[in-house]
Amino acid sequence: SAVISQKPSRDICQRGTSLTIQCQVDSQVTMMFWYRQQPGQSLTLIATANQGSEATYESGFVIDKFPISRPNLTFSTLTVSNMSPEDSSIYLCSVRDRVNLSAFFGQGTRLTVV
Amino acid sequence: GNSVTQMEGPVTLSEEAFLTINCTYTATGYPSLFWYVQYPGEGLQLLLKATKADDKGSNKGFEATYRKETTSFHLEKGSVQVSDSAVYFCALSGRGGGADGLTFGKGTHLIIQP
Repeated sequence: SAVISQKPSRDICQRGTSLTIQCQVDSQVTMMFWYRQQPGQSLTLIATANQGSEATYESGFVIDKFPISRPNLTFSTLTVSNMSPEDSSIYLCSVRDRVNLSAFFGQGTRLTVV
Repeated sequence: GNSVTQMEGPVTLSEEAFLTINCTYTATGYPSLFWYVQYPGEGLQLLLKATKADDKGSNKGFEATYRKETTSFHLEKGSVQVSDSAVYFCALSGRGGGADGLTFGKGTHLIIQP
């Protein structure tokens, strides 16, 4: 299994500002995934980050709002831009094992926008 | 597109009761199926999985069988404990060989009373 560290674990931000979330994995992985879990809701895939290429965004998510960097095979960042209270969620980083197909998740970043 | 439907909670049971949490899915082809668990204050953990029809995943006394004919992956446990209280998520992935993200159900909050 992979060990995934996310920073920060939580933050309270003012509307209109941006927050960058960091995700570090203890092994090299091709794909990293970013999810959002809104209060009381399920997880929704935001985008897939592939090292060396642009991230692929799911329907309803755009690069201007959620820019992603993937500078190497163990690290990625997700930025939540121009935040509004509706962006208050838990944001999770994930990787998958290409052999047994299991997905592993970081502890998440709990974001509150005021 | 892919989707997962699971029974919504909260589900409240007494200790040693039999547990079933229903999960059905819609997907093209032959997806892989997962149950994840989120204990209070903790991150998302893989509970069990099945990657092809008729496979049975099992872990910690929980079981689920991949039923393609009914597009279901119901979670069962014969005798629940207070420590099983958590939120349970059913999820699927396509046949991307681990290169795609997961689609989650809305989660079922399970409460076990002593």
